[in-house]
Amino acid sequence: DGGITQSPKYLFRKEGQNVTLSCEQNLNHDAMYWYRQDPGQGLRLIYYSQIVNDFQKGDIAEGYSVSREKKESFPLTVTSAQKNPTAFYLCASMGRGLNEKLFFGSGTQLSVL
Amino acid sequence: LAKTTQPISMDSYEGQEVNITCSHNNIATNDYITWYQQFPSQGPRFIIQGYKTKVTNEVASLFIPADRKSSTLSLPRVSLSDTAVYYCLVGNPGNTPLVFGKGTRLSVIA
Repeated sequence: DGGITQSPKYLFRKEGQNVTLSCEQNLNHDAMYWYRQDPGQGLRLIYYSQIVNDFQKGDIAEGYSVSREKKESFPLTVTSAQKNPTAFYLCASMGRGLNEKLFFGSGTQLSVL
Repeated sequence: LAKTTQPISMDSYEGQEVNITCSHNNIATNDYITWYQQFPSQGPRFIIQGYKTKVTNEVASLFIPADRKSSTLSLPRVSLSDTAVYYCLVGNPGNTPLVFGKGTRLSVIA
């Protein structure tokens, strides 16, 4: 089945620790996105990538880092500089046609110990 | 980037038609209008997409006036399972980034 997979489903971070959220897609999509969602709130864009080896900051990139070494993978690292990381993180991908739509993963819930 | 404005919340009884309007005054010529549905602790999923006039699929209709500065998602005969948050997204898929608005929380009451 084609789709987008996020792991782990739940993740806990200790003070001062970096953690990495995985996002893999087998849809052959060029573009990939990371969003953050706080309880009862909408989605906020962290980073996005339109092509391999290139990515751009979104509205709330501070305290996060990404890489795009392969078309299928777009991991997100939550660094110790992100002081309030507790949130639901969503990864999405999309093709490059004119009427494409976003496909989302099932999300990772990150909590601070 | 086209900014969108939607009502924060709406209530409806089962079996009624629900219309959710999204304002996007600075929509660009190449922008498409796409609606997504999100249940708690899940990723949003695609409902419908359009560029102009009316689009209909098996779950919803999308009405877009000639000036394209707004759009209306129409859900016919809603059920309890339609309780969710609905997002209107405006953008050109080939010209990222794609920024979501705050969405509309629809509550369907029995």
